[in-house]
Amino acid sequence: QKEVEQNSGPLSVPEGAIASLNCTYSDRGSQSFFWYRQYSGKSPELIMFIYSNGDKEDGRFTAQLNKASQYVSLLIRDSQPSDSATYLCAVNPPQGGSEKLVFGKGTKLTVNP
Amino acid sequence: DAGITQSPRHKVTETGTPVTLRCHQTENHRYMYWYRQDPGHGLRLIHYSYGVKDTDKGEVSDGYSVSRSKTEDFLLTLESATSSQTSVYFCAISARGFIDEQFFGPGTRLTVL
Repeated sequence: QKEVEQNSGPLSVPEGAIASLNCTYSDRGSQSFFWYRQYSGKSPELIMFIYSNGDKEDGRFTAQLNKASQYVSLLIRDSQPSDSATYLCAVNPPQGGSEKLVFGKGTKLTVNP
Repeated sequence: DAGITQSPRHKVTETGTPVTLRCHQTENHRYMYWYRQDPGHGLRLIHYSYGVKDTDKGEVSDGYSVSRSKTEDFLLTLESATSSQTSVYFCAISARGFIDEQFFGPGTRLTVL
């Protein structure tokens, strides 16, 4: 059973702080990893993807991947109230093909002004 | 935004009636997907298509059928709706490039009474 686990939260941080969102996956050998942001009542929006071990930075967002620990995280620096949303982790397992993308249940983030 | 539309955006129907949801894309992407999203379950794949007339089942396909007669349209049919199919339905598309990210439509909120 392929699983992607996220802490459901809610995670609450003050404005300007770093928010750290974590995701673990069960299928060793998974190939690529995605972070989606979903505002309440809206559709998921792709923020970042990562497929190599290490860090990948895009503006205030940094994705971190550790395949040995089967762990992927998303850091949001200088958090803003507009970052308040549910963040979904998605994993493309080793059988490959986007048809097998597996989503976590999401972590709800609240950034307090 | 990726050129994806869904119709209808909201629908209320009664148990036992047939329902068809439409997904339309203007991106000419090969892959299209139907997901449902429910509290406590996250996003779950219902069916997907990898080309015209080429479809396959996802994780929660029972009670659903799909059709794709044109690249741009992917239809999801509930032959006889049940209350357990009350959910938010999202369509997604993918170009199936190296990274294979998926982009989501705005969603359809379906209520089965």
